[in-house]
Amino acid sequence: AQSVTQLDSHVSVSEGTPVLLRCNYSSSYSPSLFWYVQHPNKGLQLLLKYTSAATLVKGINGFEAEFKKSETSFHLTKPSAHMSDAAEYFCVVSVNPYGTASKLTFGTGTRLQVTL
Amino acid sequence: KAGVTQTPRYLIKTRGQQVTLSCSPISGHRSVSWYQQTPGQGLQFLFEYFSETQRNKGNFPGRFSGRQFSNSRSEMNVSTLELGDSALYLCASSRDSQETQYFGPGTRLLVL
Repeated sequence: AQSVTQLDSHVSVSEGTPVLLRCNYSSSYSPSLFWYVQHPNKGLQLLLKYTSAATLVKGINGFEAEFKKSETSFHLTKPSAHMSDAAEYFCVVSVNPYGTASKLTFGTGTRLQVTL
Repeated sequence: KAGVTQTPRYLIKTRGQQVTLSCSPISGHRSVSWYQQTPGQGLQFLFEYFSETQRNKGNFPGRFSGRQFSNSRSEMNVSTLELGDSALYLCASSRDSQETQYFGPGTRLLVL
């Protein structure tokens, strides 16, 4: 079984300050991990993904995440927040054992608010 | 390359009716997955289709069904609609099940 826990349902930062969105995962197999972002009334956009290559993953719009197996974490960071970063962020785990079809398991989401 | 498209974008139905939602994947993608998003339950996996075959299914009642056509386009059907079926239904496509999934804008269904 696989699961994802996003530790904060809501994070508020000032524009220009760092962003940290926390995610812990649980998986019986080597997981693929993703961060997706959803702006209001929009679909999901892929920010970045980890698939057992480099543990530090760089994504779009200045976001990056570090895979830490010992801590079962995959936290999302950005050095400097922008107003356009305000959205809902989802940490996602995908497991595809034995070549069977995979399915995504989503965290409950973290709403990022960016203030002036 | 065009992204995943979903039609219609908005839909209003009444209890007991049925509804069909459509998803056109990115060109070359053969896997299509469907997800339901609600404020209470979050994002939940419905099912995945690959080469016209359902390969994986989530924990939803039989009222939820789907199919995929030879051109990889997929439809999702919900019969005997209930108020709790009101949600944003998202479709995602990938080249194969091991590839990254790309999402469409969703269909927002309101059941009255």
